[in-house]
Amino acid sequence: GAGVSQSPSNKVTEKGKDVELRCDPISGHTALYWYRQSLGQGLEFLIYFQGNSAPDKSGLPSDRFSAERTGGSVSTLTIQRTQQEDSAVYLCASSPRSYRWGATDNIQYFGAGTRLSVL
Amino acid sequence: AQSVSQHNHHVILSEAASLELGCNYSYGGTVNLFWYVQYPGQHLQLLLKYFSGDPLVKGIKGFEAEFIKSKFSFNLRKPSVQWSDTAEYFCAVNAFYDFGSSNTGKLIFGQGTTLQVKP
Repeated sequence: GAGVSQSPSNKVTEKGKDVELRCDPISGHTALYWYRQSLGQGLEFLIYFQGNSAPDKSGLPSDRFSAERTGGSVSTLTIQRTQQEDSAVYLCASSPRSYRWGATDNIQYFGAGTRLSVL
Repeated sequence: AQSVSQHNHHVILSEAASLELGCNYSYGGTVNLFWYVQYPGQHLQLLLKYFSGDPLVKGIKGFEAEFIKSKFSFNLRKPSVQWSDTAEYFCAVNAFYDFGSSNTGKLIFGQGTTLQVKP
């Protein structure tokens, strides 16, 4: 597609429910990232995919958070047993390059985000 | 851990005033540096980037930034702001780790600066 697409744009859920957030990256982009934007915490990295594997999951805040990517394209971020502190805007970004030592080009293109509200 | 600090959280300017937003990072190795902008109701967009070479980089809409390695800084400037520059501005760093390890490309963001330009 023309840009990174995320769905839903807004999600309201009750505490304790599971939610799934979807990201459709720019066609051909091999790298995919999830970030979280919340009041007081700013923009935080969550997880990085290269193809279908996730070599860096260091930003996932707890084991309630998981993500997968299939076909080197669409990614789903799942939050189990949601808590009020999970309320935030979840952003997805994609990039055309794989990252190795010495690589210098890593422009990330962001989607509009999913605003998650946990009541 | 790497961190990025933006000194100004909220800036209010009149049209035609000059702008400088500060950004400092804490990492002694090789970095890629970015400024992203988020206009009201829109997604994050790349304003400009520094990978290597000339430390003075020019971006879209008349913005520029200067990388000063000795000061670990990447300040954003614009000689004359317009009302349409009202937005939130984020500085971001991608740090290259030790030789032999992969660079995931993940971005560490500053807290953001809200710029309000009065007509």
